[in-house]
Amino acid sequence: DSGVTQTPKHLITATGQRVTLRCSPRSGDLSVYWYQQSLDQGLQFLIQYYNGEERAKGNILERFSAQQFPDLHSELNLSSLELGDSALYFCASSPSQRLAGNEQFFGPGTRLTVL
Amino acid sequence: AQKVTQAQTEISVVEKEDVTLDCVYETRDTTYYLFWYKQPPSGELVFLIRRNSFDEQNEISGRYSWNFQKSTSSFNFTITASQVVDSAVYFCALTESYNTDKLIFGTGTRLQVFP
Repeated sequence: DSGVTQTPKHLITATGQRVTLRCSPRSGDLSVYWYQQSLDQGLQFLIQYYNGEERAKGNILERFSAQQFPDLHSELNLSSLELGDSALYFCASSPSQRLAGNEQFFGPGTRLTVL
Repeated sequence: AQKVTQAQTEISVVEKEDVTLDCVYETRDTTYYLFWYKQPPSGELVFLIRRNSFDEQNEISGRYSWNFQKSTSSFNFTITASQVVDSAVYFCALTESYNTDKLIFGTGTRLQVFP
């Protein structure tokens, strides 16, 4: 158990809908990262927040947005869902003690199925 | 551009055999960080090791060992005396640049250990 929690574990929804994925980082970790794992794209970095501020952005679609709250938990919002958004979404956290290359500890993931 | 190649898609071994998972990377940076993660059938990603580009010492942790060779841009992972519990998908990853935590993942190698 990494100490990172994600809810829900599974999510089934329809095209065009909007969902919110939630992540609680390990106690004391300031950084939260979101990744998408799909069969065709593999593991892809989406976005990183550090202590409430966006720090790095990857190949995140405009239909997706994220935020990190004062208590350091994070939410990933996915809207206008398409079939291709079906994937496993991981949250990871890190104490970010170094400027870069910090170890990231992953949560169990949320499996999103868009029908 | 940064790239991680794991040419072995799937490897099957019998328990107690030694197995090496290959990882070759490409980067334009002189400072970078390399990682290995394990994804067991349960789905979560488990951090195994972090290595920075200035530390070429090989590392051993129990049955696991890592061979980092800058001259060949490789960071290979060996499991000695494999066990059924080692069955998983193993991912090698590289930081996108010297000043970020953003990870570029390889496509993974599925290891199956049979009793």
